[in-house]
Amino acid sequence: EDKVVQSPLSLVVHEGDTVTLNCSYEVTNFRSLLWYKQEKKAPTFLFMLTSSGIEKKSGRLSSILDKKELFSILNITATQTGDSAVYLCAVGSGGGADGLTFGKGTHLIIQP
Amino acid sequence: NAGVTQTPKFQVLKTGQSMTLQCAQDMNHNSMYWYRQDPGMGLRLIYYSASEGTTDKGEVPNGYNVSRLNKREFSLRLESAAPSQTSVYFCASSGSRKETQYFGPGTRLLVL
Repeated sequence: EDKVVQSPLSLVVHEGDTVTLNCSYEVTNFRSLLWYKQEKKAPTFLFMLTSSGIEKKSGRLSSILDKKELFSILNITATQTGDSAVYLCAVGSGGGADGLTFGKGTHLIIQP
Repeated sequence: NAGVTQTPKFQVLKTGQSMTLQCAQDMNHNSMYWYRQDPGMGLRLIYYSASEGTTDKGEVPNGYNVSRLNKREFSLRLESAAPSQTSVYFCASSGSRKETQYFGPGTRLLVL
């Protein structure tokens, strides 16, 4: 059974801090790892990673994948209150269903 | 361009009642998905459809049926609702890159 584990489950930091969110996985026939941001409603896509060691960046957010150690990290620098959300990690695999296997998410709260 | 739309936004049912959740996408995507999201459980795949005319079970299909009416629409039916089906239901779609899924705003369902 595919498994995705995120840590920490919740995190409270002050505006301006840098945070690192973790995601480890055990899946059959790994294809890709994705990060989503979920505020009040629908998850919105952030990154898709398929290759080890290649950093993806979008503004203050960046992510990297380690396929040997089976984990990914999501970094957010100079955090702002608008970064407060649940960050979901998901893995797409070639075995079984076409859908994604999600972790439980990290609930990030940025205090002013 | 509305993306993925879902109706209704919120529904209350009594145990044993039936209902259909509707989902439509205007991105010409082949693949569509239904997930449920419960506190502390992350998103779990109920059913998916890789193309018009095909549907397959995901991780938690029991108690649900689906219909891929055409390329745009994918509905989820609860034949006899149970309190355990109280959840937030998300529909998603994806194009050629199946892992990059776009989510609808969700339907919050309460079964009493």
